[in-house]
Amino acid sequence: TQLLEQSPQFLSIQEGENLTVYCNSSSVFSSLQWYRQEPGEGPVLLVTVVTGGEVKKLKRLTFQFGDARKDSSLHITAAQPGDTGLYLCAGDSGGSNYKLTFGKGTLLTVNP
Amino acid sequence: NAGVTQTPKFRILKIGQSMTLQCTQDMNHNYMYWYRQDPGMGLKLIYYSVGAGITDKGEVPNGYNVSRSTTEDFPLRLELAAPSQTSVYFCASSWTGQTQYFGPGTRLLVL
Repeated sequence: TQLLEQSPQFLSIQEGENLTVYCNSSSVFSSLQWYRQEPGEGPVLLVTVVTGGEVKKLKRLTFQFGDARKDSSLHITAAQPGDTGLYLCAGDSGGSNYKLTFGKGTLLTVNP
Repeated sequence: NAGVTQTPKFRILKIGQSMTLQCTQDMNHNYMYWYRQDPGMGLKLIYYSVGAGITDKGEVPNGYNVSRSTTEDFPLRLELAAPSQTSVYFCASSWTGQTQYFGPGTRLLVL
């Protein structure tokens, strides 16, 4: 069974601070995705990383896929209250397996 | 496009009652999924479908059933509700099986 561990589980910071959350596994994934889920809503895809070592930027969010494609990180610069939510990583093992493995998530609260 | 829609938004069931959670997508996606989300436990896959007429079990299928008679619809059936099925249920669809689009969820309370 493939597992994705996310850390920290909870993070509460002040507006303007920087933060990094992590997604780790002992398994190799063909791709890894990050979703953000706001209270009372379904997860929404932020980014997909495919290549080992890949870095993608989405405004103040920077996503990195580990060289061995077993881990990923999400860095947020100058966090804003609108960044508050549950950040989920999900791994795709590839092949004919059409299922994603989800981590338990990091619950981020950005206080004004 | 409405994307993925789910009904109802919230439901209270008594132990032993049955209900069907509805899920419809208008993106012509082949792949559809049902997840449950418990506090602090992330998303667990209940059932999934790779096309009309084809379904398969996920990680936690016990107590649930599904059918997929059309591309658009993927209902989830609870036959004998138990308190352990209290959760938030999300339906998702995908074109490639990779990027998944989620509905707004159904909150179910079994008392």
